[in-house]
Amino acid sequence: GEDVEQSLFLSVREGDSSVINCTYTDSSSTYLYWYKQEPGAGLQLLTYIFSNMDMKQDQRLTVLLNKKDKHLSLRIADTQTGDSAIYFCAEKEALQGNTGKLIFGQGTTLQVKP
Amino acid sequence: DVKVTQSSRYLVKRTGEKVFLECVQDMDHENMFWYRQDPGLGLRLIYFSYDVKMKEKGDIPEGYSVSREKKERFSLILESASTNQTSMYLCASSRPGQGAYQPQHFGDGTRLSIL
Repeated sequence: GEDVEQSLFLSVREGDSSVINCTYTDSSSTYLYWYKQEPGAGLQLLTYIFSNMDMKQDQRLTVLLNKKDKHLSLRIADTQTGDSAIYFCAEKEALQGNTGKLIFGQGTTLQVKP
Repeated sequence: DVKVTQSSRYLVKRTGEKVFLECVQDMDHENMFWYRQDPGLGLRLIYFSYDVKMKEKGDIPEGYSVSREKKERFSLILESASTNQTSMYLCASSRPGQGAYQPQHFGDGTRLSIL
């Protein structure tokens, strides 16, 4: 079945750029999502990219999509301590039709050191 | 803004009790989901529902059941709580639409402890 993989941990210094990577297996994915989870909270939708795009920029966030390699990345420019969180990538499971079922990666914990 | 509300942020119950976790969404979404989240295991789907009174098993349904009597409400039931069900439980909802933009919107989670 479909799978989404992420590295588990990333540590950066405040002010540096962070790059969180994700690979997926379903080549028919239409939308891919990035979520942020702060400690003790639910998941918050951060951004998304449609499969016919290579790049999407939203303020400090840049999403890059390489469909050939099935690789998705989230770049956070000028990383702040408030960006410390768990980041999940997710894709829609193609066989699920209208159910809206998403497949989530395991989440990458981003630690920002002052 | 979509609002998904889970009835409790923290809950402590005893082994063997029947436990109800409630989730309500205000966006008239057809799809609703229950996950549990454990360290190192990410999100695991327990059950989901794509319409009133409809339900489908997720990846780890054992020991759980669900109820969807009204469109806005999706309840997770632990029939006889056990200590290995101590976890963070997350509810989510989304609108339908094959191939369409349909992110899931999450509640704040319920941290459940079974003693």
